[in-house]
Amino acid sequence: EAQVTQNPRYLITVTGKKLTVTCSQNMNHEYMSWYRQDPGLGLRQIYYSMNVEVTDKGDVPEGYKVSRKEKRNFPLILESPSPNQTSLYFCASSPRLAGANEQFFGPGTRLTVL
Amino acid sequence: GENVEQHPSTLSVQEGDSAVIKCTYSDSASNYFPWYKQELGKRPQLIIDIRSNVGEKKDQRIAVTLNKTAKHFSLHITETQPEDSAVYFCAALNSGYALNFGKGTSLLVTP
Repeated sequence: EAQVTQNPRYLITVTGKKLTVTCSQNMNHEYMSWYRQDPGLGLRQIYYSMNVEVTDKGDVPEGYKVSRKEKRNFPLILESPSPNQTSLYFCASSPRLAGANEQFFGPGTRLTVL
Repeated sequence: GENVEQHPSTLSVQEGDSAVIKCTYSDSASNYFPWYKQELGKRPQLIIDIRSNVGEKKDQRIAVTLNKTAKHFSLHITETQPEDSAVYFCAALNSGYALNFGKGTSLLVTP
């Protein structure tokens, strides 16, 4: 089944404890992206990647890191999480080089930083 | 980055009526405008999109119009049904390949 998966789906952690949210797609998509969703603010792009080893900042990259060592995986790393990073996170992927195609979203990861 | 404004933030219509959601964008180089629907507790899913070389696109009860000169685009849902109740997001792809979303419209269709 073609899909985007994220793990974990739910996470409660404490300030400063490094964490990684994994994202994987099995559709051979080139474009992958991370968003955070907060009430009243919609979906805001954190980072995106147009291909392996190519990443770029979105609108809200501060406090986050990403890597794209393989085409299928695009992990989101929070080196030192803070409470303002409590949010619902979505990973998404898209078939071609540019983002001008349907983005397929993962199921979301709800993160709480205490 | 690209600024996408979406209105209204909430919309309530009676079943069978039409619903219109409007978005404006700032980057004149934007050339791709998708609309996503997000049901409660679920992931966003694409419902329709339009590219800059087209002024209007229709798919059954939903349609999108684009005015590049005015830099605005709209989603039209006709004959609304209770299952259309959801949050709808517009988005614009900027010249740097980042997709910028509006803040969303919560649509409620009452029977």
